[in-house]
Amino acid sequence: QVQLQESGPGLVKPSETLSLTCTVSGDSITGYHWSWVRQPPGGGLEWIGYIYYNGVTNYNPSLKSRLTISVDLSKNQFSLKLGSVTAADTADYYCARDRRGANYFYGMDVWGQGTTVTVSS
Amino acid sequence: DTQMTQSPSSLSASVGDRVTITCRASQSINTYLNWYHQQPGKAPKLLIYATSTLQRGVPSRFSGRPSGTDFTLTISSLQPEDFGVYYCQQSHTAPWTFGQGTRVDIK
Repeated sequence: QVQLQESGPGLVKPSETLSLTCTVSGDSITGYHWSWVRQPPGGGLEWIGYIYYNGVTNYNPSLKSRLTISVDLSKNQFSLKLGSVTAADTADYYCARDRRGANYFYGMDVWGQGTTVTVSS
Repeated sequence: DTQMTQSPSSLSASVGDRVTITCRASQSINTYLNWYHQQPGKAPKLLIYATSTLQRGVPSRFSGRPSGTDFTLTISSLQPEDFGVYYCQQSHTAPWTFGQGTRVDIK
């Protein structure tokens, strides 16, 4: 079955760029939307944004000015870059498959295990 | 953004109890409401999508339905593995937004 795995540095310095990759295995990345979600320590879930396999993106306006999500079909991966990070960006970051039906989305049905990113000097 | 508000924030219940969690959206989301369960140290798991459709593999003790302008998640008979935090999420209008979570403890 499809599995997702996040990878990237666990420690990022303030003002630098946070970069994560999600590798999709067990199925093709083609045909689906793929989301990033984060969760600060002890906090709730925040949707970061999604990318369709053809590169179309939708970002959370609260992060849009610092955010880039991209896809690499050849590697069956999609990636997140968040610039100018501060301590407020410290969180567990999850990648997830975001299901879309004919007209709307129907939840994120497959998730990676998550990766912890700490922003600190 | 559409604000999602869950109640209660936490609850404690015994094995076998019936548990209900409510989620309210700040504007119309039609039926595009999803429920997740998260256990400590794990990723969220999709339980119910589109208000009332059970995700494949989810036990039938979980159910969801609309209730006026609210949405409810019911666990008909609480099991020990049901502890954790439950989140609602709207997928009607981006940005997707989650409720703040309801923590369920087993007595």
